[in-house]
Amino acid sequence: QKEVEQDPGPLSVPEGAIVSLNCTYSNSAFQYFMWYRQYSRKGPELLMYTYSSGNKEDGRFTAQVDKSSKYISLFIRDSQPSDSATYLCAMSAPTGNQFYFGTGTSLTVIP
Amino acid sequence: GAGVSQTPSNKVTEKGKYVELRCDPISGHTALYWYRQSLGQGPEFLIYFQGTGAADDSGLPNDRFFAVRPEGSVSTLKIQRTERGDSAVYLCASSLTGAKLEEQYFGPGTRLTVT
Repeated sequence: QKEVEQDPGPLSVPEGAIVSLNCTYSNSAFQYFMWYRQYSRKGPELLMYTYSSGNKEDGRFTAQVDKSSKYISLFIRDSQPSDSATYLCAMSAPTGNQFYFGTGTSLTVIP
Repeated sequence: GAGVSQTPSNKVTEKGKYVELRCDPISGHTALYWYRQSLGQGPEFLIYFQGTGAADDSGLPNDRFFAVRPEGSVSTLKIQRTERGDSAVYLCASSLTGAKLEEQYFGPGTRLTVT
């Protein structure tokens, strides 16, 4: 079983839609949760990070962590064509230096 | 300021050859990470440097892979006796201290193709 599972999509939505991206994980020791955006042929760039459970909002983006269900989400409101990219979740435990990434979800926002 | 740079951007090599991939982190960043990203997959951790030392090399797949960071800045990932399965994008990232909630800044990657 993979440490982190993420539906690869592809996901296609009209401009202005609310997008929900999700990951599940198996390791209950994970405490640090991150979302990255990756454009084609570029390195990932950090969007948001959270520690332990709860919600965090930054502009049009909201990250949620449900540790009881081992489930994390990223919501994008008022999606824009420029949001078209692959979205990767990543997580880490307090001990060790490894970050475990999901496979990424490919998102296309249609104008 | 400049971000993380990686050279070459593309490398094509024959099976069995030796390759070196270079990473120039952001100046002053003590933490440096190497990842491998295969097609349709997320980045897979290879090795983490804190300063000059490899603090965690548990992600290196076998002894054909080796990485150095002799002066605590530039790092080189070395792959001996390359195999077709080594074909992937090799990503380097750096962060200021290596703290868990610190942003890792990724380079654009080196696309390695082993023929």
